[in-house]
Amino acid sequence: GENVEQHPSTLSVQEGDSAVIKCTYSDSASNYFPWYKQELGKRPQLIIDIRSNVGEKKDQRIAVTLNKTAKHFSLHITETQPEDSAVYFCAAPSSGSARQLTFGSGTQLTVLP
Amino acid sequence: DTAVSQTPKYLVTQMGNDKSIKCEQNLGHDTMYWYKQDSKKFLKIMFSYNNKELIINETVPNRFSPKSPDKAHLNLHINSLELGDSAVYFCASSRLAEETQYFGPGTRLLVL
Repeated sequence: GENVEQHPSTLSVQEGDSAVIKCTYSDSASNYFPWYKQELGKRPQLIIDIRSNVGEKKDQRIAVTLNKTAKHFSLHITETQPEDSAVYFCAAPSSGSARQLTFGSGTQLTVLP
Repeated sequence: DTAVSQTPKYLVTQMGNDKSIKCEQNLGHDTMYWYKQDSKKFLKIMFSYNNKELIINETVPNRFSPKSPDKAHLNLHINSLELGDSAVYFCASSRLAEETQYFGPGTRLLVL
């Protein structure tokens, strides 16, 4: 099945700095890569996704880049704010199944004021 | 309006008991999911289901079974609960796997 690896597991940045979280995947046929944010005690929520026909997508302070050749994709958060503190998950479609996602192990981002 | 809802929010029970968690979505989605999130925050797919196909993750014990009375509901039944079943269980739904999944608020299960 699909193997999704996510790094780092924890990340602390100063408010206003940038944060980058990276994921690799194993199935070269994967073509959809979402990122979810989970605040403490809350449900995961989609913040941005990218499909394999583009290399980068931006939404205000958040961007995702995709390198299909290297099979990795990254989440970039600029001008971080304390409310960005959360666990972030990447995901990719599970191999052989059009109906499941495999999630990365999560990154605990802490933005220090 | 709540898109994906789950009940109960908290569930504390003894080992060996049988329990159910209910999930409902009002988004008109065709596919629903159950995830288990352990204390280390790992989010693991347990099942995905639509009216045509049930996909069971191979690591899920057969004590766990999804039941769908209709397209808007996917309930999770757990038999003979074990200590290791303690976790947060999330229901989710989407139109397709390659589109946004909307998660329920989670059910925090504690097995004593």
